[in-house]
Amino acid sequence: GAVVSQHPSWVICKSGTSVKIECRSLDFQATTMFWYRQFPKQSLMLMATSNEGSKATYEQGVEKDKFLINHASLTLSTLTVTSAHPEDSSFYICSAREVTDTQYFGPGTRLTVL
Amino acid sequence: AQSVTQPDIHITVSEGASLELRCNYSYGATPYLFWYVQSPGQGLQLLLKYFSGDTLVQGIKGFEAEFKRSQSSFNLRKPSVHWSDAAEYFCAVGARGTGFQKLVFGTGTRLLVSP
Repeated sequence: GAVVSQHPSWVICKSGTSVKIECRSLDFQATTMFWYRQFPKQSLMLMATSNEGSKATYEQGVEKDKFLINHASLTLSTLTVTSAHPEDSSFYICSAREVTDTQYFGPGTRLTVL
Repeated sequence: AQSVTQPDIHITVSEGASLELRCNYSYGATPYLFWYVQSPGQGLQLLLKYFSGDTLVQGIKGFEAEFKRSQSSFNLRKPSVHWSDAAEYFCAVGARGTGFQKLVFGTGTRLLVSP
């Protein structure tokens, strides 16, 4: 139980295009999902907290117009990187919080912007 | 605000030897505590968690951790390491009653297992 999926697992795009990443909780409902960014050999940096049916809460320094988050249902949150640039290349990981307050993580999405 | 320190960036352990990964946290009350493991290019897998009760917590893959309030520590242990345990280990602390249950992660400890 408590499985979280992400799609795609990796994506390569051209500079200036937008990329959408999906995060799904497969066997539980998640009123709250989180989006993290991880640079090589570093820890996870929380980007935003996503609540179903409401606007996401962004961490300080994260551009909300750059990283659009939508939490349309209790099992799906999406992160859209708009007008991506090479500096947006990173490993993006989502997590979903289930009823016991435990966060379960997706397998991550590797984004490369050329 | 809560914070987490993992003082060891790298640890090398011989296969079959015991392991202890250190984690110290800072938080004004009893926190939620977690250990996650990450293999290269993968997401994080929950090893174990502490919310309340017995301070010695058993997790998956033979791991255990002990919450010591007096030392603000939550060290991860395994009696006999296997080569497949080589990975990055993250300790995380969550604040109680924050609603969103944000986690703050330590910087991670990379475990290398030698033959």
